[in-house]
Amino acid sequence: GENVEQHPSTLSVQEGDSAVIKCTYSDSASNYFPWYKQELGKRPQLIIDIRSNVGEKKDQRIAVTLNKTAKHFSLHITETQPEDSAVYFCAEGGSNYKLTFGKGTLLTVNP
Amino acid sequence: GAVVSQHPSRVICKSGTSVKIECRSLDFQATTMFWYRQFPKQSLMLMATSNEGSKATYEQGVEKDKFLINHASLTLSTLTVTSAHPEDSSFYICSASGQGFPYEQYFGPGTRLTVT
Repeated sequence: GENVEQHPSTLSVQEGDSAVIKCTYSDSASNYFPWYKQELGKRPQLIIDIRSNVGEKKDQRIAVTLNKTAKHFSLHITETQPEDSAVYFCAEGGSNYKLTFGKGTLLTVNP
Repeated sequence: GAVVSQHPSRVICKSGTSVKIECRSLDFQATTMFWYRQFPKQSLMLMATSNEGSKATYEQGVEKDKFLINHASLTLSTLTVTSAHPEDSSFYICSASGQGFPYEQYFGPGTRLTVT
């Protein structure tokens, strides 16, 4: 991977609303796109990932969409809860299995 | 499954000394381990990639003689920060991937290094 742009850098939503975080990448050979959640002082945790051969993947309140043509992918969190508050990182990987991370999005869910 | 531990969680050392950080995969064999550095409120910066039994591959700008990486077994990798200086103070995190899941990386809890 080469470069991953992530937006927004901060996002504040009301409990119950949806949150969307977007990432774009430049390496057309990238084929793996994970999302990590990191709480303050804790380890990044893999919450969902998608391979290049599918366009969408869903796991309960979390979904990821991928547009390979446009080279962007997004994280969607529905019915947000205060415990969803954290920093979220997107990443992209290729055949060498290394990951390039975005700069992160600080999500705050207000009760 | 896919649990990674890291030790120590915090360490304070004096300038000029060396510090060793251990990364272990507890319930799987880690074919590849990665070492990252994370500054406050910033992203994860890959330092090096290590495969069991072979030399680590360092990212551009990372001094291999300063950050010594050893991956002696399929469950253990170590990072030694040699001749530490205050600018080496940071959060160091390892991750590991397994043979059945080469793409997914599972992270250790990190080590907070403070060099005085």
